[in-house]
Amino acid sequence: QQPVQSPQAVILREGEDAVINCSSSKALYSVHWYRQKHGEAPVFLMILLKGGEQKGHEKISASFNEKKQQSSLYLTASQLSYSGTYFCGTELAGIQGAQKLVFGQGTRLTINP
Amino acid sequence: DSGVTQTPKHLITATGQRVTLRCSPRSGDLSVYWYQQSLDQGLQFLIQYYNGEERAKGNILERFSAQQFPDLHSELNLSSLELGDSALYFCASSVGDGTSEYFGPGTRLTVL
Repeated sequence: QQPVQSPQAVILREGEDAVINCSSSKALYSVHWYRQKHGEAPVFLMILLKGGEQKGHEKISASFNEKKQQSSLYLTASQLSYSGTYFCGTELAGIQGAQKLVFGQGTRLTINP
Repeated sequence: DSGVTQTPKHLITATGQRVTLRCSPRSGDLSVYWYQQSLDQGLQFLIQYYNGEERAKGNILERFSAQQFPDLHSELNLSSLELGDSALYFCASSVGDGTSEYFGPGTRLTVL
C-alpha cells in the first residue's frame, strides 16, 4: 500500500528544475505533499484530489494523474530554501470520509549554490 | 512558529512504562492529527480527531490511544512501551477541510 517515490535523492544547482514522482499500485482518492528540513517538523505543501487536477503556487506545483495512480511534484527554478526531504502521502479511493494517509519513503532534495 | 504546541519536547522513559503526549492546536482549528516518525518505519499517520470525534485511524497500535478534549487539545497515550516506540511524534492541526495542515515541533520519545 505504501506509495513509491522516485527518485530517492537528487542534487541540483540553484535555478535548476526538479520533478518528484509518487506512484501507487491502488486507485487513489487524494495525494498530499510535504517538505521536511533536517531537524524540523514537516510542512504541508498541498493536497490534490482525484480528478486529475494540478495545483500550486509560484514555483512549486503538482499534478495528479488518476488513471496512472501517480502524482508529480514540480519545483521550478529551485532555490536553496527548497532543500529538504519531500514526502507524498496517499489516501486510497473507495474509503469515503476516512483519511488514512500512507506515506512514501521520501525524496531527499539538495540544492547547491 | 506554526501556532501548534506540543509538550514535552523530549521524553526519556523505560520499557513497560506509560507516557502522555499533549498537543494544543492553532486557535480556530478543529482537527488534530498524530504522526509517528522513526528511522525504521518512516513517517506514519496514527489518528485524526475532528471536534472531539475520531475521524480516521491509521497504523496506531492497540497499546496507543488518543482523545481530543472539549477545549480541542489532544493527548496521545502510549503504554507498555517498547524500544521500537522510540520516535518523533508530531501533532498537526487544521480547520478540518483538508486544505492545509500545520505541524507542531514534535515530541522526541526515547525508550530505554
